[in-house]
Amino acid sequence: GQQVMQIPQYQHVQEGEDFTTYCNSSTTLSNIQWYKQRPGGHPVFLIQLVKSGEVKKQKRLTFQFGEAKKNSSLHITATQTTDVGTYFCAAAIYNQGGKLIFGQGTELSVKP
Amino acid sequence: NAGVTQTPKFRILKIGQSMTLQCTQDMNHNYMYWYRQDPGMGLKLIYYSVGAGITDKGEVPNGYNVSRSTTEDFPLRLELAAPSQTSVYFCASSLPTWTGSNEQFFGPGTRLTVL
Repeated sequence: GQQVMQIPQYQHVQEGEDFTTYCNSSTTLSNIQWYKQRPGGHPVFLIQLVKSGEVKKQKRLTFQFGEAKKNSSLHITATQTTDVGTYFCAAAIYNQGGKLIFGQGTELSVKP
Repeated sequence: NAGVTQTPKFRILKIGQSMTLQCTQDMNHNYMYWYRQDPGMGLKLIYYSVGAGITDKGEVPNGYNVSRSTTEDFPLRLELAAPSQTSVYFCASSLPTWTGSNEQFFGPGTRLTVL
């Protein structure tokens, strides 16, 4: 079936360092969503990107959608301990209704 | 609004037993989903529903069944539990995609262990 590859699987950073996770699909996407899951918690929606080349910012988080709508990235500037968790991309394929295909996630740990 | 609620929070089953995981949402969302999440993995779609009376298989439906008799409820049934079904199960809901706002809202999850 269709897959969404997300890398890296783990990232350990010192507090204040930057962090980036990447998401790639072999299929052109309708849109891509990003979720955060804290340890022991449930996924929480962060943002949705729809347009080719779209860039959105939420404070220290920058989200990008590739020109070909096949890849996306999430960049966190100057990480804080509150950023700890697993970040998932979730891809919506055309004509698949509301179904999302989740990447396997990037687990971020931040050392104070 | 309570959002998406799931019961139970935890459950231990013996091999061959059956159980129903409950999911309710109070946001009047048409779309509902069941996922499983294995350690260190992403979420795999089990079943989904675009409205009352309509259900469809996701990526990993074997060993599970669902029903959708109301907009609010979307129970997941496990028949003949197997160790491979040990996982965390999340229910989610969303508005239809044509609204342009189809973010998914997740419940707190059910941690199931099959021994």
